[in-house]
Amino acid sequence: DVKVTQSSRYLVKRTGEKVFLECVQDMDHENMFWYRQDPGLGLRLIYFSYDVKMKEKGDIPEGYSVSREKKERFSLILESASTNQTSMYLCASNVAGGPYEQYFGPGTRLTVT
Amino acid sequence: GENVEQHPSTLSVQEGDSAVIKCTYSDSASNYFPWYKQELGKGPQLIIDIRSNVGEKKDQRIAVTLNKTAKHFSLHITETQPEDSAVYFCAASEGNYGQNFVFGPGTRLSVLP
Repeated sequence: DVKVTQSSRYLVKRTGEKVFLECVQDMDHENMFWYRQDPGLGLRLIYFSYDVKMKEKGDIPEGYSVSREKKERFSLILESASTNQTSMYLCASNVAGGPYEQYFGPGTRLTVT
Repeated sequence: GENVEQHPSTLSVQEGDSAVIKCTYSDSASNYFPWYKQELGKGPQLIIDIRSNVGEKKDQRIAVTLNKTAKHFSLHITETQPEDSAVYFCAASEGNYGQNFVFGPGTRLSVLP
């Protein structure tokens, strides 16, 4: 079974803090994705990566950065957290050469106060 | 870029009845249309998908239909059960190699016993 794990299920941070969200997949997938999920807006793509050290901006990259130093790990970084970044963050992965099914992690509920 | 609309936003049905969720997309180049189910506290999970060279696909109580000309696709769930209660997302692929998905805003389905 494909497994995508995220470092935290719930996270509470203060405004201005630097926040790291980590995602690990165990199926040797080339592609990894970070989404933000808000009620009524569905899932919106923040960044995706198609290879180690490679990244592409999604629809809402402002205020976020990413890092992919190893194939199995994809990190989302909030350089200076703001209250409007309070949301559910979902990581996903899939194989290259698609389009193919994306496998999602359980999500991280981030609250910025 | 691709835009995906989804209706209805909420749907309540009696156990045993059928449920239909409809989505429209804007980019005629999109060629892969997955449907995801998200249960409370979990990440989205693929339940069925369809590619643009197919008009209909069934998997037990679940079916998806695709009308490429009209750019819409629908999820049909028959003989609904309480465990079908969840949020359902449609998506369409886009971008180079179609690795990115654009998601609809979601439908909250409640199956009443």
